[in-house]
Amino acid sequence: RKEVEQDPGPFNVPEGATVAFNCTYSNSASQSFFWYRQDCRKEPKLLMSVYSSGNEDGRFTAQLNRASQYISLLIRDSKLSDSATYLCVVLRGGGYNKLIFGAGTRLAVHP
Amino acid sequence: DVKVTQSSRYLVKRTGEKVFLECVQDMDHENMFWYRQDPGLGLRLIYFSYDVKMKEKGDIPEGYSVSREKKERFSLILESASTNQTSMYLCASRRTVQETQYFGPGTRLLVL
Repeated sequence: RKEVEQDPGPFNVPEGATVAFNCTYSNSASQSFFWYRQDCRKEPKLLMSVYSSGNEDGRFTAQLNRASQYISLLIRDSKLSDSATYLCVVLRGGGYNKLIFGAGTRLAVHP
Repeated sequence: DVKVTQSSRYLVKRTGEKVFLECVQDMDHENMFWYRQDPGLGLRLIYFSYDVKMKEKGDIPEGYSVSREKKERFSLILESASTNQTSMYLCASRRTVQETQYFGPGTRLLVL
């Protein structure tokens, strides 16, 4: 079983739609959580950190449920430019604090 | 702006060749990482380094080695390339665990 699991998609949505991605993690000792965005043939870039109380950044909302060990990302009013792969990332605790990446969920926003 | 650069964007090598992938960051970060990214598997950590001349194995170190002689430079070495090492290789750096991890543009390596 992978340590971080995501639905690979693709999620095909029209502009203006609201779309949500979930991610589950298996290591209950995981400390910190992030969403990264990766455009086609580009490097991953941090989209947002995920805090226990939930957090919002413009059209993006991230939530964490430690009891159920899942993280979510909600995108409201989708834009064409949101088309990308969204990577769920977990900081594995202990030792040297390694980031563990999910395989990503692909989003395609169409006109 | 943090910049992480990698020596090549695309590389084609033959089985058995020795391959060097170089990564340089300009922000004086202590921590540097090498990942490979394959479809359906995501990014997997090969090696990382938290200081000059220090290195630690990641989750898939077999067939790879690394070198960190200077703080800004972290090299990944494939001693004898094999076809199953065909992949996208991404270097990253960060200052502390609380800070963002920045990635280089990646090197697409094809081993024939």
